[in-house]
Amino acid sequence: ETGVTQSPTHLIKTRGQQVTLRCSSQSGHNTVSWYQQALGQGPQFIFQYYREEENGRGNFPPRFSGLQFPNYSSELNVNALELDDSALYLCASRPGGAVYYGYTFGSGTRLTVV
Amino acid sequence: DAKTTQPPSMDCAEGRAANLPCNHSTISGNEYVYWYRQIHSQGPQYIIHGLKNNETNEMASLIITEDRKSSTLILPHATLRDTAVYYCIVRVNSGYALNFGKGTSLLVTP
Repeated sequence: ETGVTQSPTHLIKTRGQQVTLRCSSQSGHNTVSWYQQALGQGPQFIFQYYREEENGRGNFPPRFSGLQFPNYSSELNVNALELDDSALYLCASRPGGAVYYGYTFGSGTRLTVV
Repeated sequence: DAKTTQPPSMDCAEGRAANLPCNHSTISGNEYVYWYRQIHSQGPQYIIHGLKNNETNEMASLIITEDRKSSTLILPHATLRDTAVYYCIVRVNSGYALNFGKGTSLLVTP
């Protein structure tokens, strides 16, 4: 198992810019979720993809969008960055199916918006 | 998803059992109790989950009360590496979101 890999690890962007964060899910995992974690807070669910389709979304505006590719890797795109978007962005993956195996999380991308 | 209540922080001596409580008085019959932890500068890590029976794995034990309104995560022999924020989450097994809340910050001391 290779685990979940996220890139880049750190990023600084200017308010109003756009950013793309990448996630390589664990081998065999077809479900990918993205979370935003502000400093001192628990992670907040952004959305989830299953077999390239979004199948769940949290309370985030449409400028947060995503993609999942045939190899189950994923991207999180954020447009029109705001200062409050500064956070740790976490990607998590797990196998599909009825049996729960637990999500495997990456170490995250630290985004700073200035 | 049912709301959970956890103490904000706890201390535990190394080698002793760490017992982390969680209240979930509004839990529904089809909702599971999940535990994750997050060590500083890392992503959350799945620990264990259960519906109504007590569960044990290589990391921890989960004790759920008979009325399912509360549960306790037990780390039988805490080590310094168990210092982390522990999150108790309640949701249906088919759900897609994990509502982490604020969790319990566990400090294991020498």
